[in-house]
Amino acid sequence: QQQVKQSPQSLIVQKGGISIINCAYENTAFDYFPWYQQFPGKGPALLIAIRPDVSEKKEGRFTISFNKSAKQFSLHIMDSQPGDSATYFCAASLIKAAGNKLTFGGGTRVLVKP
Amino acid sequence: NAGVTQTPKFQVLKTGQSMTLQCAQDMNHEYMSWYRQDPGMGLRLIHYSVGAGITDQGEVPNGYNVSRSTTEDFPLRLLSAAPSQTSVYFCASFATGRYGYTFGSGTRLTVV
Repeated sequence: QQQVKQSPQSLIVQKGGISIINCAYENTAFDYFPWYQQFPGKGPALLIAIRPDVSEKKEGRFTISFNKSAKQFSLHIMDSQPGDSATYFCAASLIKAAGNKLTFGGGTRVLVKP
Repeated sequence: NAGVTQTPKFQVLKTGQSMTLQCAQDMNHEYMSWYRQDPGMGLRLIHYSVGAGITDQGEVPNGYNVSRSTTEDFPLRLLSAAPSQTSVYFCASFATGRYGYTFGSGTRLTVV
């Protein structure tokens, strides 16, 4: 059972455009929703995260939008740059659960064309 | 400060062989985890530890063993390698009170 579903699997965007990645979760107990960025040959790195008591969080060109009632959250990359070309993973977890285990979406490969 | 170090980076095993993937962190993090990454499936949790001497199973534990004798080290053992264990393996750690995991750079394992 895939508890976090991510779409699309891949997307191509022109430099300066907006990249949008969507995730949906099933477990309403999840209370932490991070996004990870992964470059080829590297491990995932935390990009931005949100708690469910906030509907939006922005850090630079990256924004998370969170819709608790719909059990959905999304990542928007504004003014996309070629250096943003990477695989992005959404995730969810229960902070107070033992190990704070992350459940990941399937990933989205983003290619930003110059 | 090296963060999370994984060795080896690449490994080819024959079916039935055993091996240990090494993971070490120098950040004094209590929590450590092993994930495997397969195309289209994201990262799936194999085993995790909440402190030295304490381990538990994740989503896909079959065929793997772990132990945590020190805070720094969290090795993953493949008991009898199978082609289905061909994957990229990531070790990660995080500190109590903080939410972000720090991942190692991964071990690409091929079982033939």
